[in-house]
Amino acid sequence: DVVLTQTPVSLSVTLGDQASISCRSSQSLEYSDGYTYLEWYLQKPGQSPQLLIYEVSNRFSGVPDRFIGSGSGTDFTLKISRVEPEDLGVYYCFQATHDPLTFGSGTKLEIK
Amino acid sequence: EVQILETGGGLVKPGGSLRLSCATSGFNFNDYFMNWVRQAPGKGLEWVAQIRNKNYNYATYYAESLEGRVTISRDDSKSSVYLQVSSLRAEDTAIYYCTSRSYWGQGTLVTVSS
Repeated sequence: DVVLTQTPVSLSVTLGDQASISCRSSQSLEYSDGYTYLEWYLQKPGQSPQLLIYEVSNRFSGVPDRFIGSGSGTDFTLKISRVEPEDLGVYYCFQATHDPLTFGSGTKLEIK
Repeated sequence: EVQILETGGGLVKPGGSLRLSCATSGFNFNDYFMNWVRQAPGKGLEWVAQIRNKNYNYATYYAESLEGRVTISRDDSKSSVYLQVSSLRAEDTAIYYCTSRSYWGQGTLVTVSS
């Protein structure tokens, strides 16, 4: 199975600062069709997860441009510029390239 | 407005079975691959199963930890997806979410306990 390793496990950020989360895969996530099916989700406290980023760097509808996904192959990053109070929660990376699909273990973002 | 509603959770004894249902509206259900994802209390997200759409012959995929005990199915005429889970164990206790990955339901809680 593909293992997604997220770092850090938790992150405490001052409002207005940047946050960065890494997701490293045990295998390349580039599929044979040329796409890379790496996604980022945010689960706010007490809520269902919500899709932020798909195919590495595409923001889902309504997601602010403060959220920036990047990377390729096995190494991916989610950057949140100008962190706002509503950004707190747990961030998960997820791969849909290889069966079985897998999530990272999550990164908890706290506001200082 | 997109709506996803999971039902069928509850308290079940170890060894028992459950059928979870997921009714959707507000998006082109037939175009989407549908998934079940679960979250044990205080834990992270775990992908459970996927069923692809008609263009992909409704192919199904399962997490290895549940393979043989779960069956995912869909009814495009009802914009609904289902998850049958058998031989339930305490470690299957979780909120089960139905999701297209773009859209998520609120989840249904399954508790396995004697």
